[in-house]
Amino acid sequence: QSALTQPASVSGSPGQSITISCTGTSSDVGGYNYVSWYQQRPGKAPKLIIYDVISRPSGVSNRFSGSKSGNTASLTISGLQADDEADYYCSSFTSSVTEVFGGGTRLTVL
Amino acid sequence: QLQLQESGSGLVKPSQTLSLTCAVSGDSISGHGYSWSWIRQPPGKGLEWIGYVYYDGNTYYRPSLESRVTISVDKSKNHFSLKLASVTAADTAVYYCARVMSSATQRFDPWGQGTLVTVSS
Repeated sequence: QSALTQPASVSGSPGQSITISCTGTSSDVGGYNYVSWYQQRPGKAPKLIIYDVISRPSGVSNRFSGSKSGNTASLTISGLQADDEADYYCSSFTSSVTEVFGGGTRLTVL
Repeated sequence: QLQLQESGSGLVKPSQTLSLTCAVSGDSISGHGYSWSWIRQPPGKGLEWIGYVYYDGNTYYRPSLESRVTISVDKSKNHFSLKLASVTAADTAVYYCARVMSSATQRFDPWGQGTLVTVSS
């Protein structure tokens, strides 16, 4: 069970948009619309920000959006704010009825 | 509002068994479509799914841990547990419990605050 592939780091200036990719296989990301994204601030538990590829939990800013094409899912954050600086993880359901996480991406707001 | 709280030993000796409990408050652990999961995060590293008791009653585990891990639910106490046998230093991590919405969806929400378990003699 290999981890999903995410870039180690991304950065952007306030107000800009950034996109984080999450690449898997046809047995996970590509096979199901069950990709989630989590935001983790230092010393805190992860927080769900996107689920089922495109859905946003109540209370999460609409500046966060998700998409998927083939075996790659993406998280886009628009109107970047300093408060968005955190680690972001994707995860996907798999054909083995298990879950796999990405390696995580550190977002730096310049 | 559902809340989860991990508890258990913070220090475990090598070769012994790590045992953690996740107390569920604000809702029943028997809720329809709910699964219950453990995830860990080694210091300075990423998230690693350990396993879950799925809403269909079956347990599913990370393949690399399957021979050492047991996750179980105690409905009478509204909590679920993790046991990881034969631990080594590589099992040192913050351990999180989480509810998994698993019926026609799949998402981990909410998470407990996490508890650090150190494996050391």
